[in-house]
Parts: sequence; structure tokens; C-alpha cells
Amino acid sequence: AQTVTQSQPEMSVQEAETVTLSCTYDTSESDYYLFWYKQPPSRQMILVIRQEAYKQQNATENRFSVNFQKAAKSFSLKISDSQLGDAAMYFCAYRSAQGSQGNLIFGKGTKLSVKP
Amino acid sequence: DTAVSQTPKYLVTQMGNDKSIKCEQNLGHDTMYWYKQDSKKFLKIMFSYNNKELIINETVPNRFSPKSPDKAHLNLHINSLELGDSAVYFCASSQGWGGGEKLFFGSGTQLSVL
Repeated sequence: AQTVTQSQPEMSVQEAETVTLSCTYDTSESDYYLFWYKQPPSRQMILVIRQEAYKQQNATENRFSVNFQKAAKSFSLKISDSQLGDAAMYFCAYRSAQGSQGNLIFGKGTKLSVKP
Repeated sequence: DTAVSQTPKYLVTQMGNDKSIKCEQNLGHDTMYWYKQDSKKFLKIMFSYNNKELIINETVPNRFSPKSPDKAHLNLHINSLELGDSAVYFCASSQGWGGGEKLFFGSGTQLSVL
């Protein structure tokens, strides 16, 4: 069974600085998708970024980028120019490319605080 | 317009009661889901429906029964509520069933069983 591990329960960053959130996963599959979701205090789950495992190029979305290391099964999220609105729980998630094989498997989350 | 809406947002009830949570999506998606987030923020899939057909039913007590009257709605009924059912329940939807589909989540229903 696939697992997702986020080893940092909490992280803190100064406003305008850069922070990296770690995520590792375990799978025997070769084709899958990885996601980062953000959950602010409002509770709403928001997709931040998505990475296809068959793509070597790291995904980017404005200030958010990932470092995808397939061999190491690592998928970290880098937030540049951190803003107060980035404060939230961040969840790393895995899903088999064969959707029928399962659903989103989430890590336990990292709580990010942004200091003004 | 809210894409995925759940009602109620908060639900406080006594042990042994039966309650329902409703979910509606106006995105025209074919697939809907129920996730449970426990007190430690851990999210886990409960059910998934595709075109009103049950696709995934994780190890969930049969006191939980999803119902999908049409593609836009997926309701969750819980019988004989227990203390351990206290959690936040999220409804979500996606266009299709593929692994790369983006999920759109509702804002959650916080259930407290006393």
C-alpha cells in the first residue's frame, strides 16, 4: 500500500523569505500523481500544485514550486516570497494514475506559520 | 457561486442519534467523494461515487451510508452516532475518475458527538 510521510509537523518562515516543506512517499507504481493541498484556518482545502510522475520537469505555480525526485520518492514544496496568507496546513498527497486503484492518500500535514 | 457546498457547516448531536450531511456541486463533475478529517488533521477517503455509482468504499462502519440521487449530489447519512465519529467531513468532486484529476473540496462539516 502507498504511504505519504511529512516529517515536519510544524514550520515557520519570515514574511518575504523562502521555505521548503518536505514530503516522501512509498509506492511500487511507476505512474502516479502528486499534489500539495493547502488548508487555511477557514478549513477549505485548496489545490496548490500538481506533479505528474512521468514528467521530469518540476511543476511551478507562481511562488510555489516543487522539487520532485522520483528515484528518491521525494516531493518537496518550495514557497518563495512568503506572504501572511500562506499560513496554513499543507498536505502532500499521492494518487495512482489508475484512478480506480485508489484515491488521494494524504500525509499528516505540516502547519506553516508566517511571521510578519 | 460556491462550487462544492455542504450543509450544515456545524453539527452538534448526542450519541445514538441519526444525522445527515448534504453535499451539492455545481461544476458538472462526474465524480464525488467523502473524506473524513480526524482531530489530528489526518484526511482519509471514505466513499467515492462516479456517475452515481459507488466506486470506492473504504473500511467504514456500515452505520455510514452515502446516497447519490444524481451526479450533482452526494449525501452522507450516519446512524447511531458514536463519540468517535466526531470529525470534520469533507465532500469533494472532480471532473472524472482519472488519477490526475483535480479535486474541489467543500468547506467541511464539523460534527461533534456528545
